[in-house]
Amino acid sequence: AQTVTQSQPEMSVQEAETVTLSCTYDTSENNYYLFWYKQPPSRQMILVIRQEAYKQQNATENRFSVNFQKAAKSFSLKISDSQLGDTAMYFCAFMKNNAGNMLTFGGGTRLMVKP
Amino acid sequence: EPEVTQTPSHQVTQMGQEVILRCVPISNHLYFYWYRQILGQKVEFLVSFYNNEISEKSEIFDDQFSVERPDGSNFTLKIRSTKLEDSAMYFCASNRDLYNEQFFGPGTRLTVL
Repeated sequence: AQTVTQSQPEMSVQEAETVTLSCTYDTSENNYYLFWYKQPPSRQMILVIRQEAYKQQNATENRFSVNFQKAAKSFSLKISDSQLGDTAMYFCAFMKNNAGNMLTFGGGTRLMVKP
Repeated sequence: EPEVTQTPSHQVTQMGQEVILRCVPISNHLYFYWYRQILGQKVEFLVSFYNNEISEKSEIFDDQFSVERPDGSNFTLKIRSTKLEDSAMYFCASNRDLYNEQFFGPGTRLTVL
């Protein structure tokens, strides 16, 4: 079974600064997908960024980028130029490359962006 | 922009009662999911559904749970005899293709008294 660990339950950052959220996972699979989802206070989860394990290049999406270290099974999220609207819970998630494609989530990191 | 919708937003029920949570996935999506999040805990996978049958289910999804796509638009989760520990936020999700983004609904908060 896969496990996903987010070691930082809470983090805070000043507006306009950069913050990195950590995620590690454990799997015996070679092909898989990793995701970061954002859950603002409204509670609807929104995809921030995704990474295919077979791609060596780190995914980027505007102010969001990842540092994917496959050998270390690490998948951190960097948010640059933090904005107040980035305040939310952030969940790292893993998906195997097979039918059913269930997401396995980490415990989440609550990010507070301070003005 | 199309979105996943869920009703009701909040459901309160007595222990032992049956509840049905409803979801309308995005119209051209083929894969459907239910997840739950007990307050303060991580989001947990319950079940995935494709081509009118369950693709995968977790240990949580026991005989008390069932899913159905009764028509071309709705996707439902039924809990036959609710327990206190079923109190949670239930999220429906859908996607068009395997391995693509799963789009989540806003959730239904289930409170079992």
